[in-house]
Amino acid sequence: LAKTTQPISMDSYEGQEVNITCSHNNIATNDYITWYQQFPSQGPRFIIQGYKTKVTNEVASLFIPADRKSSTLSLPRVSLSDTAVYYCLVGDINGSARQLTFGSGTQLTVLP
Amino acid sequence: EADIYQTPRYLVIGTGKKITLECSQTMGHDKMYWYQQDPGMELHLIHYSYGVNSTEKGDLSSESTVSRIRTEHFPLTLESARPSHTSQYLCASTEVGYNEQFFGPGTRLTVL
Repeated sequence: LAKTTQPISMDSYEGQEVNITCSHNNIATNDYITWYQQFPSQGPRFIIQGYKTKVTNEVASLFIPADRKSSTLSLPRVSLSDTAVYYCLVGDINGSARQLTFGSGTQLTVLP
Repeated sequence: EADIYQTPRYLVIGTGKKITLECSQTMGHDKMYWYQQDPGMELHLIHYSYGVNSTEKGDLSSESTVSRIRTEHFPLTLESARPSHTSQYLCASTEVGYNEQFFGPGTRLTVL
């Protein structure tokens, strides 16, 4: 199982870009990297997924270096509503569900 | 917008009661999951299913049971609830071969 390590918490101010890094040193060839966002008392929500290099969608970018041993979720110009827990998952999309562990996540607090 | 539903949203019951938490999705997804999450803590996979008549236990030992008689329905049952079962239970589903899990709103269970 590819174990992930993220910072426990981060603070930022409104309008800033936030980068959250996830380490996954033993990522396997078939593993994808997926990020989720979770607000209190709600289920997690998918943000972005990637395999290598850079992926961008309407809410975030995901940067994955060539060795794939880490990844960085980038949130441009955060607002107060981006305060949430962010989870990094690594696993084979065709593999066992047991591989997709959420871990502790990173609590992002956006300050006014 | 994901179409995955959980009922009830909140449940307070006494010790020893039998309960069933309902989860339904209208997306035709084959893969479905149950997670348990205590406030501020990690999500733990307790059950998953790859399709009708397929169920497996997750990483976290759970005294609950699940069934998958129809694709859209994945109920979780506790035969005899105890205070240690107090938690939030999250249901999710995904297409085969794709990592994006769609989560329901969760059921917050309190056992007195």
